[in-house]
Amino acid sequence: EPEVTQTPSHQVTQMGQEVILRCVPISNHLYFYWYRQILGQKVEFLVSFYNNEISEKSEIFDDQFSVERPDGSNFTLKIRSTKLEDSAMYFCARGQGHDNEQFFGPGTRLTVL
Amino acid sequence: GQNIDQPTEMTATEGAIVQINCTYQTSGFNGLFWYQQHAGEAPTFLSYNVLDGLEEKGRFSSFLSRSKGYSYLLLKELQMKDSASYLCAVEKAGNMLTFGGGTRLMVKP
Repeated sequence: EPEVTQTPSHQVTQMGQEVILRCVPISNHLYFYWYRQILGQKVEFLVSFYNNEISEKSEIFDDQFSVERPDGSNFTLKIRSTKLEDSAMYFCARGQGHDNEQFFGPGTRLTVL
Repeated sequence: GQNIDQPTEMTATEGAIVQINCTYQTSGFNGLFWYQQHAGEAPTFLSYNVLDGLEEKGRFSSFLSRSKGYSYLLLKELQMKDSASYLCAVEKAGNMLTFGGGTRLMVKP
């Protein structure tokens, strides 16, 4: 039983286009995270989101990225103007807070052409 | 700086025991995670260590020494399905995880 689901499973887009990746928690969690993994490379932290606000973000998470929870349920990652190097797997993870495990969703494979 | 080191690849035999080491030097430390990742799939949570010592969970155990910046994942009674990448990740303030490059384990019959 997945902790979170993500849509779409695969997104293909043209360079310069905007994409929105969605994460849907199965139950009510307060802590969410976005990570990415470029093919063959390590998993990289992007941003953490607690109680509808960004709590931490990495250097990767520049002005091209934004996160929100528009309807109190879905948790979205938006990339405003995609670049070729944004091609990666994007994972949403949920947590319950300090000293707790982070469970990853199945991921969205983003391909930028 | 951030530095998390683990061997790139390991090979072991079905039924055997294998130990995957992870050393870290990070600014800030809350705890250490181990994840399993099969090719093309998401990381799957295996263990979380906050205090020094050994945590056992079935065939998998994880050890942490905070003073030495060292952890290992121990896999017993290896099965073919254990062939995967094993990711060491340090948790820092704000629950952000910094991952190592992963260790690709190949289990042979």
